[in-house]
Amino acid sequence: DGGITQSPKYLFRKEGQNVTLSCEQNLNHDAMYWYRQDPGQGLRLIYYSQIVNDFQKGDIAEGYSVSREKKESFPLTVTSAQKNPTAFYLCASSVDIGRLHGTQYFGPGTRLTVL
Amino acid sequence: AQTVTQSQPEMSVQEAETVTLSCTYDTSESDYYLFWYKQPPSRQMILVIRQEAYKQQNATENRFSVNFQKAAKSFSLKISDSQLGDAAMYFCACSGYALNFGKGTSLLVTP
Repeated sequence: DGGITQSPKYLFRKEGQNVTLSCEQNLNHDAMYWYRQDPGQGLRLIYYSQIVNDFQKGDIAEGYSVSREKKESFPLTVTSAQKNPTAFYLCASSVDIGRLHGTQYFGPGTRLTVL
Repeated sequence: AQTVTQSQPEMSVQEAETVTLSCTYDTSESDYYLFWYKQPPSRQMILVIRQEAYKQQNATENRFSVNFQKAAKSFSLKISDSQLGDAAMYFCACSGYALNFGKGTSLLVTP
């Protein structure tokens, strides 16, 4: 089955630690995205990538980092510099960036809690 | 910058009835896509319906249809014959280089 997987489903972190959230897709999509969702809010874009070895900052990139070494994988690292990292994180992918191919499909999400 | 506004934080509908969720957006692009996504309690984001801005015909997907008013920048979602499984958060989104989302409408379906 084609789809997007995210792991782990739940993640707990102590303050001052970096953690990495996994996102893998087997849809052969070129573009991948990371969003953050807070209670009562819509989704806000953290980073996106159009192609391997290239990525761009979204609206709230501070305190986060990403890599795109393989087409299928787009891991997100939440660093200790992120002041309020407790949130629900969603990964998405699409055939291509932008209007014409921009229908995005989402993974099941990771709930990160900072203790 | 794009903005997407959902003015109804919560809506309620009885089973088998029809409900309309509102969405307005603002974009400077001439060509764009609009989406409605559903997020049930599992929190999985599910695509409900997509509208291409250059198409005048309103998109439909089974019980789901949209009323797309391009000049007014309005994109409402109509759910017909509501079912208990329709209860969820519904997000409106507009395409740019990524998606810009509204804050969502929580839909409650009562028996």
